[in-house]
Amino acid sequence: AQSVTQLDSHVSVSEGTPVLLRCNYSSSYSPSLFWYVQHPNKGLQLLLKYTSAATLVKGINGFEAEFKKSETSFHLTKPSAHMSDAAEYFCVVNPNTGNQFYFGTGTSLTVIP
Amino acid sequence: GAGVSQSPSNKVTEKGKDVELRCDPISGHTALYWYRQSLGQGLEFLIYFQGNSAPDKSGLPSDRFSAERTGGSVSTLTIQRTQQEDSAVYLCASSLAANTGELFFGEGSRLTVL
Repeated sequence: AQSVTQLDSHVSVSEGTPVLLRCNYSSSYSPSLFWYVQHPNKGLQLLLKYTSAATLVKGINGFEAEFKKSETSFHLTKPSAHMSDAAEYFCVVNPNTGNQFYFGTGTSLTVIP
Repeated sequence: GAGVSQSPSNKVTEKGKDVELRCDPISGHTALYWYRQSLGQGLEFLIYFQGNSAPDKSGLPSDRFSAERTGGSVSTLTIQRTQQEDSAVYLCASSLAANTGELFFGEGSRLTVL
């Protein structure tokens, strides 16, 4: 069975401090993993993706994520938060066995000035 | 077009009315997905198209929901006899092909059922 767990529904950080958004997954196969960001009243935008190449993946806007198979994790990080990072973030798994994408329930990131 | 286009962006309707939501995917994208996002919730999968066929309709919540895709392009999601619990944002996404990994999303159609 496939599933995605985003461990925090809300994360609040001060501007200029590091961001950590946690994601754990379960998949019977070798999955592809993604992080998407959704700003208010907007559609989802791809931040980064892991597709079995390098385990440390760099994305847009200074975000990166590390695929750790032993921990079944794909946590999203950024060294220094910016006000514009305030948004909803979704971790997504594609088990690469069909058409299905499995979405986490999202983490709302607040950045405090 | 440059991106996935959805219309209407906002729709307010009365309970019991039918609504149609439209999605125009990125040109050349063969895979098309519909999701529903309720307030404060994650994304709920509704249906997937590969070309004009829908191999996976497992997410449609009831027989009031239907979708079609014509010409391998535009898709319409129809909700008949709308109920208040249908109020949500309906998101459409397209992909170059199934399992290529990246979904491109439209900005959604916000449906409010009074």
